[in-house]
Amino acid sequence: DAGVIQSPRHEVTEMGQEVTLRCKPISGHDYLFWYRQTMMRGLELLIYFNNNVPIDDSGMPEDRFSAKMPNASFSTLKIQPSEPRDSAVYFCASSPSTQYNEQFFGPGTRLTVL
Amino acid sequence: KQEVTQIPAALSVPEGENLVLNCSFTDSAIYNLQWFRQDPGKGLTSLLLIQSSQREQTSGRLNASLDKSSGRSTLYIAASQPGDSATYLCAVRALGKTSYDKVIFGPGTSLSVIP
Repeated sequence: DAGVIQSPRHEVTEMGQEVTLRCKPISGHDYLFWYRQTMMRGLELLIYFNNNVPIDDSGMPEDRFSAKMPNASFSTLKIQPSEPRDSAVYFCASSPSTQYNEQFFGPGTRLTVL
Repeated sequence: KQEVTQIPAALSVPEGENLVLNCSFTDSAIYNLQWFRQDPGKGLTSLLLIQSSQREQTSGRLNASLDKSSGRSTLYIAASQPGDSATYLCAVRALGKTSYDKVIFGPGTSLSVIP
C-alpha cells in the first residue's frame, strides 16, 4: 500500500481564495482524520470520519472550514475564503478499526495564504 | 480538559548516549498513548502504541512506558544515532462516549544527536 496520500504537497494562494486539500486514506481503514499543525498551536485535530460519516468536527476553527468524505477512498478539506492565519501544514491520517487504532499520517500539505 | 505536555522541548546529546523523553497528561482516562517521530518538513511516523492496559512497548532501540495513574509516559532511546534526530511527539486518545473521542498531541521534543 502507498500509505496515506495527500495533494497538493504545497499550496500558495491569496487571501480570499478557495483552497481544497485532498486525501486518500489507506485502503480498508475505517477512520480518517484531518489535523492542522502550526508553530503556535502544535498539532490540532480538526475533524474525523468513521465509515465516511463525520463524527466530531468540534476542532474545525470556523465556518470557513468544511470537510467531506464522499466515499471510503477520498476526502477533502476546503477553506473558503482563506485567510493568512490559515497558513499551516494540514495532515490527513487514517486508522483501521477501533480495536487497533494506530494512526498513519500522510506527508501533509503546506498551505501559505498571502 | 485533557492536556499533554512534553519535557524537554529540545534536547541535544552526543551519539551513543541513552536518552529519555517525557510525556505527561492531566487526565488518566485514556484509551491509549502513541509516540510519533516527525522529520523536518515531513509527516508523522508512528513509533509505538501503548494501550491503557499495557505498561510498556518495545521496538528495536525504543522502549515506551506508560504509568496511567501518574499521567506519564517515557520514550527511552538506547545508543542514540544521528539518524534519530527528529521531533518526537506523544498523543493520547481520551476515553469518551464515542469510539475515538479526542486525540490530543503534545508539543513535541526536538532531538539532536551529535556525531
